[in-house]
Order: sequence, then structure tokens, then C-alpha cells
Amino acid sequence: AQSVTQLGSHVSVSEGALVLLRCNYSSSVPPYLFWYVQYPNQGLQLLLKYTSAATLVKGINGFEAEFKKSETSFHLTKPSAHMSDAAEYFCAVSSPSGSARQLTFGSGTQLTVLP
Amino acid sequence: DVKVTQSSRYLVKRTGEKVFLECVQDMDHENMFWYRQDPGLGLRLIYFSYDVKMKEKGDIPEGYSVSREKKERFSLILESASTNQTSMYLCASLTPGTGKVGELFFGEGSRLTVL
Repeated sequence: AQSVTQLGSHVSVSEGALVLLRCNYSSSVPPYLFWYVQYPNQGLQLLLKYTSAATLVKGINGFEAEFKKSETSFHLTKPSAHMSDAAEYFCAVSSPSGSARQLTFGSGTQLTVLP
Repeated sequence: DVKVTQSSRYLVKRTGEKVFLECVQDMDHENMFWYRQDPGLGLRLIYFSYDVKMKEKGDIPEGYSVSREKKERFSLILESASTNQTSMYLCASLTPGTGKVGELFFGEGSRLTVL
């Protein structure tokens, strides 16, 4: 069984400030981990993914995430928030042996960027 | 560019009506998915299909059925819509990927309101 917990359903940051969105996972096997972003009135798109290679993963739009096995975490960060980063962010976990059938999504974090 | 198209962005239906949600992808992907998105619950898998005429239930299939007669098209059917099926419905298709880690491409969603 696997699960994902996203801490904080809403996060607000000022433009230019650090963005930190938290994700903790539970998995009985080494997981694959993903961050997806959903802009207003759009579907989700992949930001980045961890697939057991480098623990620090770089994604699109300046985002990155670090896999920490000891903490069972995969937090998403961006050094400097931009207004265009306002969106909902979803963390997801999958087992390496499975397909997207076994992809479990977190409940999402709404990011607001204040001017 | 990859494209997943959901034919209806907004629908309003009455209780008991039969509802069809259509999804088309232009990437020749084998795997397609229907998710339901509700605030605070993230994405939940309704059904997925791994080939033409092949389907499997997801986590919340009750009250839904699907049809995959052609590779590019995956339809979600609500036989008798109920108010608790008011939600955002997202279709996705999966790239084959390497090492089984494909990427989900999502449509823009269909927001269904059942009165």
C-alpha cells in the first residue's frame, strides 16, 4: 500500500520569496515520486519526477525536489516565487513495478503568490 | 505536441440523465485514464484502459462505466447521474516511458454539475 500526504492545503508566499511545498509518502517498496502542477482551468502537467537516480531532481520553471528516504519526504522548492507560479500542486507516488494504475495522488496544495 | 482533448469543458445535467464524457488523444498511447478531482481529495482513479476494448476498475468505479472502441478515444459514462457525481473529471493518457516510468498527459477537464 502507498499513500501521499501534502502538508498544507494552502500556501501563500510573496513574490521573490522561497517556495516550499511539503510532501511525505508511505510506500512498502522504494517509490517513484512525482510533482504535477495544475494552472487555473487547466489539466495537470508534470513538473518533475524521481525514479531512483539522483536524489535531487530538477524540473521545469525552476522547481526542484529532493528525495529523502530517511524522512520519507519529497518536498518541492523554488528559490524565488513568480506570480505565474500560482497554481495547485500535486505530489504523487507510484511503485516501480507498477504503471500509472498504481499512481496515488496527494490532496493538493494551492499556492498563492502575493505581489 | 502531445494533446489530450476533452470535448466538453462544462456540463449541467439533471439527476437521472445519462452523461457521456469524451476524451481523445493524438499520441497513439495504449493507456488512458479517467480521474475525478474534488477539493481536498486530490485525484481519484475511476477507470483506466490499457488497450482497445480493455478496461480495469480504479478506486471509485461505482456509478460509472467506460468505453474504448478506438485507441484514441476513451469515454466515461454516467448511466444515471446523481448529485454526488458533481465534480471535475480529468482524462489522461500515458507515454510508454523508459523503465515503466511514463508521463501522464492530462486534458483540461470537464466540470460536471448535476442538479
